Parts: sequence; C-alpha cells; structure tokens
Amino acid sequence: DAKTTQPNSMESNEEEPVHLPCNHSTISGTDYIHWYRQLPSQGPEYVIHGLTSNVNNRMASLAIAEDRKSSTLILHRATLRDAAVYYCILRDLAGGTSYGKLTFGQGTILTVHP
Amino acid sequence: DAGVTQSPTHLIKTRGQHVTLRCSPISGHKSVSWYQQVLGQGPQFIFQYYEKEERGRGNFPDRFSARQFPNYSSELNVNALLLGDSALYLCASSSGTAKMGSNQPQHFGDGTRLSIL
Repeated sequence: DAKTTQPNSMESNEEEPVHLPCNHSTISGTDYIHWYRQLPSQGPEYVIHGLTSNVNNRMASLAIAEDRKSSTLILHRATLRDAAVYYCILRDLAGGTSYGKLTFGQGTILTVHP
Repeated sequence: DAGVTQSPTHLIKTRGQHVTLRCSPISGHKSVSWYQQVLGQGPQFIFQYYEKEERGRGNFPDRFSARQFPNYSSELNVNALLLGDSALYLCASSSGTAKMGSNQPQHFGDGTRLSIL
C-alpha cells in the first residue's frame, strides 16, 4: 500500500477553519484518498474520499493537488466535537487482495481550543 | 438504523486463555473486517470476510482466527493469549461487492477493549 505522511499534531480555535495536510508522493493512478477520524473512546468514522477532483460533503471538504501527491482535509468551522485523530488513507480502486483493508498510519491529533 | 455493534465492550483475560469477540454489521452489509488497535497507534488490519469467505488477512499469527455467519455477523477468536494482545479490537462493516468494495466507506463499531493480565 502506498504510504501517507501527516503531521503528528495540529491545533485550532473553535469556529475557525482547519486545514489538515497529507502527503502521498507514491500514490498510484487507481488509489482513492480516504479520510477517517477517531474521536476519543470511539471507533474510526468515515469523513470523505476522492480520486482527482475536490469533494465536499456535510462534514468536510477534500482538496486534492493537481499531481495528486498531496491532499488537504478542510473543516470549515471547527467545533470542540471535531477534536480527534485524523487519518489519511490510500485505497486501491482495484481492490483484490487489499479489498477490505484500510492501512492506518499514526494520523494527526487535532486539538480544538474553546 | 443501528450501527455496527460489538460485544462485549470490555474483557479481562489472563495469559494462555482464549477469547471470542462478536460483531454485528449494519443491516445489509455483507463485508466485515477486524482491526487491532494498540494504545497510541492506528488500527491494524487483521481479517476481512465477505459472504462468509475470508478475503484478506493481515500480518497476525495463526492464534488469530475469525468466521462469518449466514446472517453476516462475525466472530474473532484469539487463542493462547499473550500480554501483547491487550488492545482495542474494532469491527467494521461495508456494503458493495468485492469489485466495488475498495471504494465503499467502512463503518466501525466502538470496539472491545481486551486486557490481558
């Protein structure tokens, strides 16, 4: 699986935008970029995913660089509930033996200050 | 609709014992995956089952085994428990076929916290 690199931690103030970066310089053409987050004492939660174009949903936006070697998860107005570990994960569209597998790294610990 | 449910939520065992963890996927989801999360690290993939067949296996010893039942619920079994097996065990389910599956989000339960004494 292609590897991702994220900062260990980031901080934000409540109601401000947060930009969480992810580098994936070895991404292949069939890799989707997925983001999950894990709130304290809970299982991971799906946030968003994309292939080439920027994506928006009710939780966040995903901005993908033109060369696809990096991406940014954008939380438009951080709330205290957004404090979590955020994981950037590459998933091969072709599936095959990696079909059910998510490869988690260390993720980014996001702290939100009131 | 109910999410992924796991039981028990907490479990304490001693070295050498075996344990069975249970998972009920979201209704309609045929794929179930298991992950181990050691404190301070991201989850590590153990198994994936689809339509009762093993479709993927992570780098875990043979002491770890799993199965999926006709109603798509699943069990994870761990034999000869070691101190290092202490972790949060997560179950995730997803929809879609084997071809589509890699793009379908996985929905996680809140896990079973296993402590080995």
